[in-house]
Amino acid sequence: NAGVTQTPKFQVLKTGQSMTLQCAQDMNHNSMYWYRQDPGMGLRLIYYSASEGTTDKGEVPNGYNVSRLNKREFSLRLESAAPSQTSVYFCASSFRAGGYTFGSGTRLTVV
Amino acid sequence: ELKVEQNPLFLSMQEGKNYTIYCNYSTTSDRLYWYRQDPGKSLESLFVLLSNGAVKQEGRLMASLDTKARLSTLHITAAVHDLSATYFCAVAQYSGGGADGLTFGKGTHLIIQP
Repeated sequence: NAGVTQTPKFQVLKTGQSMTLQCAQDMNHNSMYWYRQDPGMGLRLIYYSASEGTTDKGEVPNGYNVSRLNKREFSLRLESAAPSQTSVYFCASSFRAGGYTFGSGTRLTVV
Repeated sequence: ELKVEQNPLFLSMQEGKNYTIYCNYSTTSDRLYWYRQDPGKSLESLFVLLSNGAVKQEGRLMASLDTKARLSTLHITAAVHDLSATYFCAVAQYSGGGADGLTFGKGTHLIIQP
């Protein structure tokens, strides 16, 4: 039972490069989320998807795009990475009014 | 805008002592979560609190919720070193379309010393 799988686990980018963070869940959850975690800030919501084909902005969406490819997969794209996007990124999924399952995280450094 | 405040943000305590972490939130919500995070790891779910007066206990940890006061507490009884971690509270807020984004507190970094 894999739960929520994120790839890659680590990544170093140069400023201006692009990349996509992948997330897949095998729990048949409707909702999926992307959060970033910075020291002393807790986790902040970047984007979420209530269901396949829908996406919405969270608290800190600037500089990111997302795609809900199907019910299982929710990807996060950085089109032009900036040092301010250095962070740990967590994907999560949930049922409505249920518990949340978090992936293991992607540690991203932008130099 | 929902705001979640935890205190203290840092806590150093001795084994065997009791202590409480507080979580205040600014708007009505029907769910509050507590998570544990070890360094370099993901979030581990501890408790889900769904109603006013809810109390849940697991081992040396006990969580409670007062929705009228918009306050949750995480109480640690007779602390042991293995409980050293960062603890987060998070409040669910309906984000539209059936999704409920979580708003997190900044976390309480707990160190338990022998």
